[in-house]
Amino acid sequence: NAGVTQTPKFQVLKTGQSMTLQCAQDMNHNSMYWYRQDPGMGLRLIYYSASEGTTDKGEVPNGYNVSRLNKREFSLRLESAAPSQTSVYFCASSVSGITHTQYFGPGTRLTVL
Amino acid sequence: ELKVEQNPLFLSMQEGKNYTIYCNYSTTSDRLYWYRQDPGKSLESLFVLLSNGAVKQEGRLMASLDTKARLSTLHITAAVHDLSATYFCAVDMYSGGGADGLTFGKGTHLIIQP
Repeated sequence: NAGVTQTPKFQVLKTGQSMTLQCAQDMNHNSMYWYRQDPGMGLRLIYYSASEGTTDKGEVPNGYNVSRLNKREFSLRLESAAPSQTSVYFCASSVSGITHTQYFGPGTRLTVL
Repeated sequence: ELKVEQNPLFLSMQEGKNYTIYCNYSTTSDRLYWYRQDPGKSLESLFVLLSNGAVKQEGRLMASLDTKARLSTLHITAAVHDLSATYFCAVDMYSGGGADGLTFGKGTHLIIQP
């Protein structure tokens, strides 16, 4: 049981390049999330998917798109990377229930030059 | 707009001492979470607090929730070096949302010195 996995772990892009961050979970969770973490800022929600087939914007969606490919996988795409998108990106998932505890992946450290 | 404020943001303390981290949030929320993050690592769930007066304890950490005051505390008893980490509190982003994502505080960077 791997939990939440993310690829790649590290990535360096040039301004204007595009890339997709991959996330998968093997816990049969309904909901999945993408957050970014910047120094001194805590985590901020980019997009979330409450269930397979649905996606919604979070606090900071500009410059990103997402795809909920199936129940297991939730990808985040940067169409035209900007230096302001330099950050650590975390994917998380949660199961429906009383607690809705979110379980986080190991993160992707992205640098945009 | 939901705001979550933690204080202090930075705390250096000695082993064996007690201390409390505070988390205030601005609107009604169904759940409050505490997470731990070690440097360069992911977030680890510590506690979920579901109702007013809820108290949970794990080892030297105890969390409590006062929904009327919109305040949660994370109390550290007889601190040890292994508890050095950044601690985040978070609440559901939308009231009753459940699956709608979390709003996080900025985190408390805790250093425990021998």
